[in-house]
Amino acid sequence: EVQLVESGGGLVKPGGSLRLSCAASGFTFSRYTMNWVRQAPGKGLEWVASISDSGGYIYYADSVRGRFTISRDNAKNSLYLQMNSLRAEDTAVYYCARSGTTLTPYNWFDPWGQGTLVTVSS
Amino acid sequence: AIQLTQSPSSLSASVGDRVTITCRASQGISSALAWYQQKPGKAPNLLIYDASRLESGVPSRFSGSGSGTDFTLTISGLQPEDFATYYCQQFKSYPITFGQGTRLEIK
Repeated sequence: EVQLVESGGGLVKPGGSLRLSCAASGFTFSRYTMNWVRQAPGKGLEWVASISDSGGYIYYADSVRGRFTISRDNAKNSLYLQMNSLRAEDTAVYYCARSGTTLTPYNWFDPWGQGTLVTVSS
Repeated sequence: AIQLTQSPSSLSASVGDRVTITCRASQGISSALAWYQQKPGKAPNLLIYDASRLESGVPSRFSGSGSGTDFTLTISGLQPEDFATYYCQQFKSYPITFGQGTRLEIK
């Protein structure tokens, strides 16, 4: 069974840092582009960042570029999101999501993890 | 960035109804569109990809159509478990974008 499990969320003060992790199992992790998507409370879905299978291609949303860093460790089947200079508007549930196919980095997302809540507040 | 506009933003319907949700892209995206269903407190669930391909395990009452800039998600014969929020997503180019969502409520 394909499974994605996020961890690392919590309460952090504005300007602080947090590192999210996503543990993957049930598929060949190193073959897939991986993604982070967030959802602020009561709001819609916002794509955050994507990283290609080897890590050679990385994309960020403008809202997080320069503050967030996506990375992966294929040996550990793990995806990460280092979040620095956090702002109140970064408060959201953060989902890890696998790309739908291995054929292209331009993809739908399937499956998704259960999400981890990040709250930025003083 | 490619903008996606969903309509309506909310919709009331009854069990057994046929409903259609539309998604319009600000520029042509070929068939690079997916549809998701999300229930409160849960992660989104893929329904349709490549505009019209039904994800494995998704009931056949869900269907998608369109290409270019105009897309539709149709649910034929609403079931109680279908009341949820629906999102479209384009993956033609980065930044990947989502529509603002359509909340489907019980009438």
